[in-house]
Amino acid sequence: DTGVSQDPRHKITKRGQNVTFRCDPISEHNRLYWYRQTLGQGPEFLTYFQNEAQLEKSRLLSDRFSAERPKGSFSTLEIQRTEQGDSAMYLCASSLETDSYGYTFGSGTRLTVV
Amino acid sequence: AQTVTQSQPEMSVQEAETVTLSCTYDTSESDYYLFWYKQPPSRQMILVIRQEAYKQQNATENRFSVNFQKAAKSFSLKISDSQLGDAAMYFCAYRSEGTSGSRLTFGEGTQLTVNP
Repeated sequence: DTGVSQDPRHKITKRGQNVTFRCDPISEHNRLYWYRQTLGQGPEFLTYFQNEAQLEKSRLLSDRFSAERPKGSFSTLEIQRTEQGDSAMYLCASSLETDSYGYTFGSGTRLTVV
Repeated sequence: AQTVTQSQPEMSVQEAETVTLSCTYDTSESDYYLFWYKQPPSRQMILVIRQEAYKQQNATENRFSVNFQKAAKSFSLKISDSQLGDAAMYFCAYRSEGTSGSRLTFGEGTQLTVNP
């Protein structure tokens, strides 16, 4: 297991286009999290899954954002009708439900909306 | 809602010296976890050290130690014998205890420069 993988590493898209990011967590981790990080700021929570169930969503997650984890393994985060304000690093992390040691983060997907 | 504040946007230290990064937080909960994460230019967040609020003893991990003051809601990170590889952005983070509190709340970060 090589840790949490995110794809793609970088994405440049035109305003108004839809984009989808993928996250593959550590295989035995049942919790998966999405965060957004803008330049010079700390990550902000977007949503998390326990297995395939989406248990919590931040108010930052507007109607244009949707996340899925269909079989409790990998997850996708889709942004529809992208806006320049969506430009950020999107971080994925995973953990065990019983793990109090924090998360294991992926390297992130950097989105640039032009 | 919990908030985490890091009042030092930037810090610098000479190689082999000691530096302390500050963090304060606000919460009404009694049980929680506190973390320091390191984010080097490669962008992957790496856990440096964690502290359970119910433990009075300060956590240590090799050259990294914390000063946890629960009453003051303060959680500072001390890096001893600083190395060039310690240069990174450091984030303080809070997490509630219990299954309903899985989200991490991060501070704004402190950019640490290590001078040779």
